[in-house]
Amino acid sequence: QKEVEQDPGPLSVPEGAIVSLNCTYSNSAFQYFMWYRQYSRKGPELLMYTYSSGNKEDGRFTAQVDKSSKYISLFIRDSQPSDSATYLCAMFTQGGSEKLVFGKGMKLTVNP
Amino acid sequence: DVKVTQSSRYLVKRTGEKVFLECVQDMDHENMFWYRQDPGLGLRLIYFSYDVKMKEKGDIPEGYSVSREKKERFSLILESASTNQTSMYLCASSPAGMDTQYFGPGTRLTVL
Repeated sequence: QKEVEQDPGPLSVPEGAIVSLNCTYSNSAFQYFMWYRQYSRKGPELLMYTYSSGNKEDGRFTAQVDKSSKYISLFIRDSQPSDSATYLCAMFTQGGSEKLVFGKGMKLTVNP
Repeated sequence: DVKVTQSSRYLVKRTGEKVFLECVQDMDHENMFWYRQDPGLGLRLIYFSYDVKMKEKGDIPEGYSVSREKKERFSLILESASTNQTSMYLCASSPAGMDTQYFGPGTRLTVL
């Protein structure tokens, strides 16, 4: 079993839709959970990060972590064509054996 | 604002050539990373460095070497470029603790 699983999509939604992107993981040592956004031909940019379980909101974006289910989500409300990009989840352990693991990325297209 | 820059956005080289990819960060970060990104494979770690003159192999170090003579600069070297090294190369940096990584814009390398 891979440490981090992310559905590669692609996902296509109409403008204004609520988008849900998800990752599952198997390593219970992960403590930091991140979402990166990558536009075509650009490097990934950090969108949000959370520590441990809970929700974090930033504008139209909400990151959610459920450590008991080993499941993280990124919700995008009122999606815009400018949100069209590849979204990568990433997870990190700390303390002794640091490890950062990325999901494969999900390509999202928001159609006007 | 964290800034990670990479020496070239696009590079075309011939098989057998020695290739240098340079990365510079201006945030005094301890850790620096080189990844390659290929369709369907996500981000794969080539090498990382947690201090000047220190380096650690990532998941796919074969065919690559690195150099970190100064804290702000991390170079990726392809001793003898091959066509299977055609890829997008991404550099990242992070402070000690590695909780979040900041990426450069990427170098798209084509080896003919």
